[in-house]
Amino acid sequence: AQSVTQLDSHVSVSEGTPVLLRCNYSSSYSPSLFWYVQHPNKGLQLLLKYTSAATLVKGINGFEAEFKKSETSFHLTKPSAHMSDAAEYFCVVKMDSSYKLIFGSGTRLLVRP
Amino acid sequence: DARVTQTPRDKVTEMGQEVTMRCQPILGHNTVFWYRQTMMQGLELLAYFRNRAPLDDSGMPKDRFSAEMPDATLATLKIQPSEPRDSAVYFCASGAPGTSGSYEQFFGPGTRLTVL
Repeated sequence: AQSVTQLDSHVSVSEGTPVLLRCNYSSSYSPSLFWYVQHPNKGLQLLLKYTSAATLVKGINGFEAEFKKSETSFHLTKPSAHMSDAAEYFCVVKMDSSYKLIFGSGTRLLVRP
Repeated sequence: DARVTQTPRDKVTEMGQEVTMRCQPILGHNTVFWYRQTMMQGLELLAYFRNRAPLDDSGMPKDRFSAEMPDATLATLKIQPSEPRDSAVYFCASGAPGTSGSYEQFFGPGTRLTVL
């Protein structure tokens, strides 16, 4: 059965410093993995997705994530945080045999001036 | 700019009243999902449809919730009677298989429901 674990409920960084949001997954097969972002009082927006092509995936707004099968991880990174990056981020795995998405519990990113 | 639309954006009602939330999926998308988001439970999948047929509604309390797709451009989620514990943000999402076996869901802005 697929599942996803976001290791940090909150991450706080200073503007201009790197961002690392951690995610580990469990899947019987080669998974499809996603990162979604939710700004306050907004819907969810897709940041990036991994679907068994390149292991380093680039997304919008300078974010990227690396699929590491040996570590069952799909961590989200950004070299330099911006104030507008403050939001909640969800790591998501797609169930193999259906269209259902399994959401992690979310990581709230705080960016200090 | 294709996007999922949801109405109403905000709804305040009293306990016992019927609530209907509507969703217009992106044209051409053949799957539609209803999610509920609360502080305590996070994002929960309530139900989803493929080609207008319900595929899974195991996440939905059957006694008071119902979800339908009367046509390809409209999905509805109804609560009757509503209770304070139903207060949450309800999201609709639509999706379709993309190229190279990819798939993603596109989310609407949500309906914030408050049941007093």
